[in-house]
Amino acid sequence: GENVEQHPSTLSVQEGDSAVIKCTYSDSASNYFPWYKQELGKGPQLIIDIRSNVGEKKDQRIAVTLNKTAKHFSLHITETQPEDSAVYFCAVTEYSGGYQKVTFGTGTKLQVIP
Amino acid sequence: KAGVTQTPRYLIKTRGQQVTLSCSPISGHRSVSWYQQTPGQGLQFLFEYFSETQRNKGNFPGRFSGRQFSNSRSEMNVSTLELGDSALYLCASSPLGTGGPNTEAFFGQGTRLTVV
Repeated sequence: GENVEQHPSTLSVQEGDSAVIKCTYSDSASNYFPWYKQELGKGPQLIIDIRSNVGEKKDQRIAVTLNKTAKHFSLHITETQPEDSAVYFCAVTEYSGGYQKVTFGTGTKLQVIP
Repeated sequence: KAGVTQTPRYLIKTRGQQVTLSCSPISGHRSVSWYQQTPGQGLQFLFEYFSETQRNKGNFPGRFSGRQFSNSRSEMNVSTLELGDSALYLCASSPLGTGGPNTEAFFGQGTRLTVV
C-alpha cells in the first residue's frame, strides 16, 4: 500500500517568516495531493490541493509544489501569522476501481510565535 | 449548506463495552469515510461507504464495523472496547460518485472517545 512520510513533526517559526512542510510518497499511481489544516477541537479542513498534472499551485500566502519524479510535495506558507498555528496534514490519493484511496501523513504541528 | 455532523462529541465508555458513533454527511454527498486519530498514529483510515456499501476498508480488527443508511447517514460501531481504542473518530463526506475522482473530503468535528 501507499506509504506517506511527513516532515517535520513540529515546526516553530517567528511571525512573518516562512514555513515549509514536506511529504514523500511511494505509489507512483497517486494523482491527487490535498493539504489539510486542523485547528484545536476541529476536524481537518482542506486548505490547498494539487493534481498530478500540475507542478505548482498558489493561493495567497499558501503554495504547494509537486515533484512526481521524486515523489514528494511540499506546503509553503509565507508571511506566517499566529492564526496559522495548527496541525497540518498532507494526503496522497489514488483513484482506481471507481473509488479513492486516501493515505494521510502523520501531521506537522506548526507554531507561529508572535 | 450544513457541514458534516458527528454525534456525540464526547463519550466515555468502560473496557468491554460497545459504542456506536453517528455521522450525517453534507447533503448530496454519498461517500462517507471514517478515520481514527491518535497522537502517535495520526489519521488512520477505518472504512468508506458509498450508497450503503462498504467500498474500502483499512487495517483494523473486526471489532470495528460500520454501516450506511439510504439517506447516506453512517454509523460506526466498536465492540468489546479496549483502552487503546481511546481516540478522536473523524467522519468525512465526499461527493465521490457524483463529482468524479479526486474530490475533497469534508470532515466533521469528530467524536472524542475515552475508554476507561
